[in-house]
Amino acid sequence: GDSVTQMEGPVTLSEEAFLTINCTYTATGYPSLFWYVQYPGEGLQLLLKATKADDKGSNKGFEATYRKETTSFHLEKGSVQVSDSAVYFCALSYNQGGKLIFGQGTELSVKP
Amino acid sequence: DSGVTQTPKHLITATGQRVTLRCSPRSGDLSVYWYQQSLDQGLQFLIQYYNGEERAKGNILERFSAQQFPDLHSELNLSSLELGDSALYFCASSVVAGQPTGELFFGEGSRLTVL
Repeated sequence: GDSVTQMEGPVTLSEEAFLTINCTYTATGYPSLFWYVQYPGEGLQLLLKATKADDKGSNKGFEATYRKETTSFHLEKGSVQVSDSAVYFCALSYNQGGKLIFGQGTELSVKP
Repeated sequence: DSGVTQTPKHLITATGQRVTLRCSPRSGDLSVYWYQQSLDQGLQFLIQYYNGEERAKGNILERFSAQQFPDLHSELNLSSLELGDSALYFCASSVVAGQPTGELFFGEGSRLTVL
């Protein structure tokens, strides 16, 4: 079945470091791909998305490119801040408004 | 604020008991989703309703049931509770018809502790 695999955390970085969180997926079709973020004590919120191969999603300095050939959607940010500390979830969905299939989540901790 | 409201925020109960979690979706959203988040299982999709009808089912136990009412709010009923049911239960909503964006809007969750 369809699934999403993320790199295990926690990931600990110093402020202004470069961030990469790896995400790969297994899918029978051509899903849309998402990154959601969960700040402490809050629900999940959409960070960025890409709906087809080679699309790049970006928001708040984060970006991810939908790579069909490697079935990947890695999250990157050039310079992280303490306020980026959160849990990041990669997810896929097949149809607009349909259910999301999530990866396990990767906890990011950014130290000053 | 996502616009999705979940109650209660915290709930502590005993094994064998039954609880009801409530969700009010964003204004205008017709679809409601329930997810369970636990340390060992991650975020698991339980069930989806669209405009009162069940749309998709995931890893929902037979002891659990849900419904969506005419005013579009939804309830998740958990019965014969076991220790392993302790988790954070999220409700999310989306616009399925009209201008679907693929984005789900999540509530802050209901934390269930079964003792």
